[in-house]
Amino acid sequence: DTGVSQDPRHKITKRGQNVTFRCDPISEHNRLYWYRQTLGQGPEFLTYFQNEAQLEKSRLLSDRFSAERPKGSFSTLEIQRTEQGDSAMYLCASSPDQGLTGGETQYFGPGTRLLVL
Amino acid sequence: GNSVTQMEGPVTLSEEAFLTINCTYTATGYPSLFWYVQYPGEGLQLLLKATKADDKGSNKGFEATYRKETTSFHLEKGSVQVSDSAVYFCALSPHSSGNTPLVFGKGTRLSVIA
Repeated sequence: DTGVSQDPRHKITKRGQNVTFRCDPISEHNRLYWYRQTLGQGPEFLTYFQNEAQLEKSRLLSDRFSAERPKGSFSTLEIQRTEQGDSAMYLCASSPDQGLTGGETQYFGPGTRLLVL
Repeated sequence: GNSVTQMEGPVTLSEEAFLTINCTYTATGYPSLFWYVQYPGEGLQLLLKATKADDKGSNKGFEATYRKETTSFHLEKGSVQVSDSAVYFCALSPHSSGNTPLVFGKGTRLSVIA
């Protein structure tokens, strides 16, 4: 088990371009989360999946952001028409199913650092 | 709503000094509480956690006790090392709604000097 992986690790793009990031969770984990972290701040939740079902997407920052997990394994996060304010670290995490009492540990990937010029 | 407040940094300590990083939370229901650490150039790693009141999480000499009466989860270490230099994040995961994304504090940067 190699942990959560993300690709690419760094992305530089020009304003107005579309970008897509990939996350591969720990293989037996059913839950997958996306967060965004800006400089000097803690991670901010964006969306998450239980297998292929997207359980919460109201926190996606705008309709330019979308995420998929079509086969319940890897996930992609797409940002359309990027803006300079989208520059941040995008983090993916995975966890086993949450029991009734919650508290399952989320394991984070190394992140994708996006710079929009 | 759910929120986490942690002491602002940076915190600079000499090696072998005692460390406390304060964390308080606001939550509906009974959250689980976590400390994550981010070493330079690395991703977030779980340091410790506690899932109910009065539980104590511990790892690598760090400890934190879930205090429901003061809604706190302060991180402590008796003797810090240079290798503990990192950013520390307090976080909570709500139970009641079944919707359990983590809510993070802003992080506290710790620098330990020899």
